[in-house]
Amino acid sequence: AQSVSQHNHHVILSEAASLELGCNYSYGGTVNLFWYVQYPGQHLQLLLKYFSGDPLVKGIKGFEAEFIKSKFSFNLRKPSVQWSDTAEYFCAVDPGTYKYIFGTGTRLKVLA
Amino acid sequence: EAQVTQNPRYLITVTGKKLTVTCSQNMNHEYMSWYRQDPGLGLRQIYYSMNVEVTDKGDVPEGYKVSRKEKRNFPLILESPSPNQTSLYFCASSAVGVSSYNEQFFGPGTRLTVL
Repeated sequence: AQSVSQHNHHVILSEAASLELGCNYSYGGTVNLFWYVQYPGQHLQLLLKYFSGDPLVKGIKGFEAEFIKSKFSFNLRKPSVQWSDTAEYFCAVDPGTYKYIFGTGTRLKVLA
Repeated sequence: EAQVTQNPRYLITVTGKKLTVTCSQNMNHEYMSWYRQDPGLGLRQIYYSMNVEVTDKGDVPEGYKVSRKEKRNFPLILESPSPNQTSLYFCASSAVGVSSYNEQFFGPGTRLTVL
């Protein structure tokens, strides 16, 4: 069965530290990839998405992600986190069927 | 304002008492979907709909029903709720593009407790 793995369940960083959240998926065909963020008490919002083209995708709030097809990965990065980035982050994959598969999420806490 | 609305936002009910959670979007989106979010399991897709009268099962459809009689509405029905359906439920919608997939817009969530 198709799956999405987010290996970091909880991450704690100090402000200005760099962030990288891992996301791996298990599907051999063409996929559409997404990162969503859920701030405390709010609903999910799209951070960035990859459909095709440049594998380095830039999103909102200074986030970016790199699609590495050979590694089945779509890791999320931010060079310098802020306290306001405290949230839960979800990686999601659509294998072209609109049956979205989400990872289990990574809770990020940024210490001021 | 473009949005997805869900009602109710919070619901406590008892086993076996039928309930409906409504979902409505004002963006004329073709695609709508229901998810449940559980700790440690992330979001799991329950049902989705590509357009009016077109629905399909997601990963965890057991115990749920949906209907899509109008483009804007996609209610989630629990005919006989059980405690294992206690969860946080999200509705989402998106346009359906030919050359690209569009982002899903999520509702605020419905926290359901089944006693």
